[in-house]
Amino acid sequence: DAKTTQPPSMDCAEGRAANLPCNHSTISGNEYVYWYRQIHSQGPQYIIHGLKNNETNEMASLIITEDRKSSTLILPHATLRDTAVYYCIVRVGGGNAGNMLTFGGGTRLMVKP
Amino acid sequence: GAVVSQHPSRVICKSGTSVKIECRSLDFQATTMFWYRQFPKQSLMLMATSNEGSKATYEQGVEKDKFLINHASLTLSTLTVTSAHPEDSSFYICSAPRDRASDTQYFGPGTRLTVL
Repeated sequence: DAKTTQPPSMDCAEGRAANLPCNHSTISGNEYVYWYRQIHSQGPQYIIHGLKNNETNEMASLIITEDRKSSTLILPHATLRDTAVYYCIVRVGGGNAGNMLTFGGGTRLMVKP
Repeated sequence: GAVVSQHPSRVICKSGTSVKIECRSLDFQATTMFWYRQFPKQSLMLMATSNEGSKATYEQGVEKDKFLINHASLTLSTLTVTSAHPEDSSFYICSAPRDRASDTQYFGPGTRLTVL
């Protein structure tokens, strides 16, 4: 699986958009970008994933650059409950890689009032 | 939505004892489950892949005789930490894909093990 690089920490004001970047310059053509988050002392939670098109769901939006070497997770209106560590993971999708996930360091997002 | 549960959520034990942690998929069947370990202020590290009806696959550096995994049914995998020592104190988390073609994992809430 391709390596990802994320800033170790970010702050965001409550109610503002949180934009979390991820670099994955060695991504392969069949690898997807996944985002999970882990709130303190809980198990990780799936947020969103995509291959090359931008994606949006009820939790967030995922913007993938045209060359797919980087992406941004956007939380449109961050709340205090969004304070968590956000993990960007790149892996082969479609159940072809045993579904296991390799976690990097992630970005610790602190949403402040 | 899919839910994965773990039991117990927290356990404190004496050094040398064994501890069993259960991971259950509540509304779906999981032929594969994953066990992770997370030390304070660190990321999740995959320990092993639990396969229903067959032996677990362990990651390099994880002692299979110390961390016993049993996946006896399609909804239950257990991790037993044998002869636990203080260095085994950690946050243990399981996960399962909803189906073999699923790209997403559902994680349990985690079990915090403290070995005195």
